[in-house]
Amino acid sequence: NAGVTQTPKFQVLKTGQSMTLQCAQDMNHEYMSWYRQDPGMGLRLIHYSVGAGITDQGEVPNGYNVSRSTTEDFPLRLLSAAPSQTSVYFCASGVRLGEQYFGPGTRLTVT
Amino acid sequence: GQQVMQIPQYQHVQEGEDFTTYCNSSTTLSNIQWYKQRPGGHPVFLIQLVKSGEVKKQKRLTFQFGEAKKNSSLHITATQTTDVGTYFCAGPEGAQKLVFGQGTRLTINP
Repeated sequence: NAGVTQTPKFQVLKTGQSMTLQCAQDMNHEYMSWYRQDPGMGLRLIHYSVGAGITDQGEVPNGYNVSRSTTEDFPLRLLSAAPSQTSVYFCASGVRLGEQYFGPGTRLTVT
Repeated sequence: GQQVMQIPQYQHVQEGEDFTTYCNSSTTLSNIQWYKQRPGGHPVFLIQLVKSGEVKKQKRLTFQFGEAKKNSSLHITATQTTDVGTYFCAGPEGAQKLVFGQGTRLTINP
């Protein structure tokens, strides 16, 4: 099992550009989520999904969209990148409210 | 919404000293989880506590869940350089969200 995979590992964007961060898991988990990690701020929940076709907002959803067309994939879209979105992004999957498996992260810089 | 607060934010110890991080929630939690993130890595699940007053041990690590299920602690006895990293607690908010504390970053002087 690959677990949770994320691509790309690193990305530099210019302000206003859009992009999609990919996340996939092969553990058949219904629950998936996206977090961003900033120094001193811990892990903040952006969006989450309790199953295919179902998504909801977390603590910091503005500027991000998600979709969940399959159990395996949960992409995160940045619609118009801003410098405030410079961060490390982690995708996770697991049992709802239980143990979560994190991907390796995507380090995003917006200039 | 619910807040999960962790203290301290940073802790520097000499190798061999003990270390403790504390997690406090504004609401009663159905469970509390602990994760470790090595420098440059991703969070890795350590343990989940469910019962009031529960204590679990993993080698030199001791995890406690408070009687009121609103606080928790992680204690490391005789730290080693392999313990370096950031330790996060996490608790459910409602029926669907998992909220993380800000983390405690542990550095160790060998």
